Amino acid sequence: EAAVTQSPRNKVAVTGGKVTLSCNQTNNHNNMYWYRQDTGHGLRLIHYSYGAGSTEKGDIPDGYKASRPSQENFSLILELATPSQTSVYFCASGDALRGRVAETLYFGSGTRLTVL
Amino acid sequence: GQQVQQSPTSLVLQEGENAELQCNFSTSLNSMQWFYQRPGGSLISVFYNPSGTKQSGRLTSTTVIKERRSSLHISSSQITDSGTYLCALNNNAGAKLTFGGGTRLTVRP
Repeated sequence: EAAVTQSPRNKVAVTGGKVTLSCNQTNNHNNMYWYRQDTGHGLRLIHYSYGAGSTEKGDIPDGYKASRPSQENFSLILELATPSQTSVYFCASGDALRGRVAETLYFGSGTRLTVL
Repeated sequence: GQQVQQSPTSLVLQEGENAELQCNFSTSLNSMQWFYQRPGGSLISVFYNPSGTKQSGRLTSTTVIKERRSSLHISSSQITDSGTYLCALNNNAGAKLTFGGGTRLTVRP
């Protein structure tokens, strides 16, 4: 069973601080994603990646950066955290041909971020 | 406006009843997927169904592209089916998956 590990599980940050959320998968999947989930909005795509060195903007990228230094790791960076970024963040990975969507996505357990 | 709309937003059933969850989309479709999320938990892929009908046990997914809809049918619901079901579409824009708002299902004994 493919595993996606997110860290930390919970994070409390202060407004204006820098936050890095990490995601690791050892399944050699090409595609990785960062979503946030808020009540009333479902999952919204922030950034995604096709492989090492690749980052693509999703539907709500403002205020977020992403980094894919290797096949296994995909980070989400909030340079200047704001209270509106309080949410649950999910990372996902899937194996697909370059530029295509995977038929099966594997999600991490989520990171609950609170920005005070 | 939202590209993917799910209905109903919530549904309460008695154990043994059937459920029909709908997903309507306003954009072109390359593929449709369904996911299950336990309360407070992560998401699990349920179906990859770009068109037609697929069945897995008590779950059946039907996607009709020209009608811009996909459905998830759960037969003989069980308490353990409770959770949130989300559909997600890919509209040929690379690997992007856009999610609907989800349907929260509660199955009572």
